[in-house]
Amino acid sequence: AQTVTQSQPEMSVQEAETVTLSCTYDTSESDYYLFWYKQPPSRQMILVIRQEAYKQQNATENRFSVNFQKAAKSFSLKISDSQLGDAAMYFCAYRSARDSNYQLIWGAGTKLIIKP
Amino acid sequence: EAQVTQNPRYLITVTGKKLTVTCSQNMNHEYMSWYRQDPGLGLRQIYYSMNVEVTDKGDVPEGYKVSRKEKRNFPLILESPSPNQTSLYFCASSGGPGQGIDTQYFGPGTRLTVL
Repeated sequence: AQTVTQSQPEMSVQEAETVTLSCTYDTSESDYYLFWYKQPPSRQMILVIRQEAYKQQNATENRFSVNFQKAAKSFSLKISDSQLGDAAMYFCAYRSARDSNYQLIWGAGTKLIIKP
Repeated sequence: EAQVTQNPRYLITVTGKKLTVTCSQNMNHEYMSWYRQDPGLGLRQIYYSMNVEVTDKGDVPEGYKVSRKEKRNFPLILESPSPNQTSLYFCASSGGPGQGIDTQYFGPGTRLTVL
């Protein structure tokens, strides 16, 4: 069974600096999707970025980028120029491309604190 | 505005009193799913539906029921709630094959407390 591990329960960063959140996963499959979701205090689950495993190029979305290392099964999220609004729980999630139920497998989350 | 809505957002109830949490999406998505979120456990899937009248169990289906009579609605039913079902619940939807199935969009969440 696939698993997703986020080893950092909490991270803090100074406003305007860069922070990297770690995520590793375990799978025997070669085709899958990876996601980072953000959950602010409002509790809404917001998609930050996604990566298709067959793509070698790392996904980027404005200040958010990933470092996808397929062989190492690592999928870290880098947030540049951190802003106060980035404070939230961040969840890494995996979905098999073959799984017919399209189920997302989630990590336990990393709480990101932004220091003003 | 494309969205997934859930009602109620907050609910406090007592053990054994049947309740329904509604979920509706306006994106014509085929796939819908229910998750529960508990501290330290991330999100766990309760039930999912691939299309109208097609539902199946996720990882933690015990104590829950669902139905999918219409494409846009996917209610979660707790026939006899118990305190261990106190949690934050999310409904999610995505397009289905050929329609961006890989990205799920989430509702705002329902905070349920069972006393």
